[in-house]
Amino acid sequence: GENVEQHPSTLSVQEGDSAVIKCTYSDSASNYFPWYKQELGKRPQLIIDIRSNVGEKKDQRIAVTLNKTAKHFSLHITETQPEDSAVYFCAPLSGGYNKLIFGAGTRLAVHP
Amino acid sequence: EPEVTQTPSHQVTQMGQEVILHCVPISNHLYFYWYRQILGQKVEFLVSFYNNEISEKSEIFDDQFSVERPDGSNFTLKIRSTKLEDSAMYFCASGSGTSGPHNEQFFGPGTRLTVL
Repeated sequence: GENVEQHPSTLSVQEGDSAVIKCTYSDSASNYFPWYKQELGKRPQLIIDIRSNVGEKKDQRIAVTLNKTAKHFSLHITETQPEDSAVYFCAPLSGGYNKLIFGAGTRLAVHP
Repeated sequence: EPEVTQTPSHQVTQMGQEVILHCVPISNHLYFYWYRQILGQKVEFLVSFYNNEISEKSEIFDDQFSVERPDGSNFTLKIRSTKLEDSAMYFCASGSGTSGPHNEQFFGPGTRLTVL
């Protein structure tokens, strides 16, 4: 079956630093790669996504890079703020159909 | 901005009882999903639904589970005979389908199911 791995599982940074979370996947047919942010007790919220026809996408302080050959994509957050503290999930779309396969999550803590 | 809504926010039930979780997807969306998240764990796919039928289902989605779109707005998940291990947060999601199934999925706030 599909396998999705995220690293690191926890990440602690100082406010203003950058954070990078990496996701590797096994399904070579995947072509849609979103990142979700989940605050405690809340719904997963789509923060950025990328499709397989591009290598990088940026939205203000957030960017996603994709290496389809190596089957990994990464979330980059610059100038981190305390409100960025949350659990972040990668969730590549299964190539066979339209289900998201979630990684185990990365708990990001941004310290003032 | 339109959002997916879910009711109830919290459901407590006795083992063996039937529960129905309700979702109202975003109005012009064509693809509907249920996921679940056991406390402290990752989100797991249960089922996808398109054109009034199940597109795909996971191993978790056994004969105890069913989905329905009874009218043009609601999308329900039924668990016929709940087990303790069904306790989890259940999320409904919908997608527009503007680029086929490979589009954004937007999640509802979830229903926390507690089976006693």
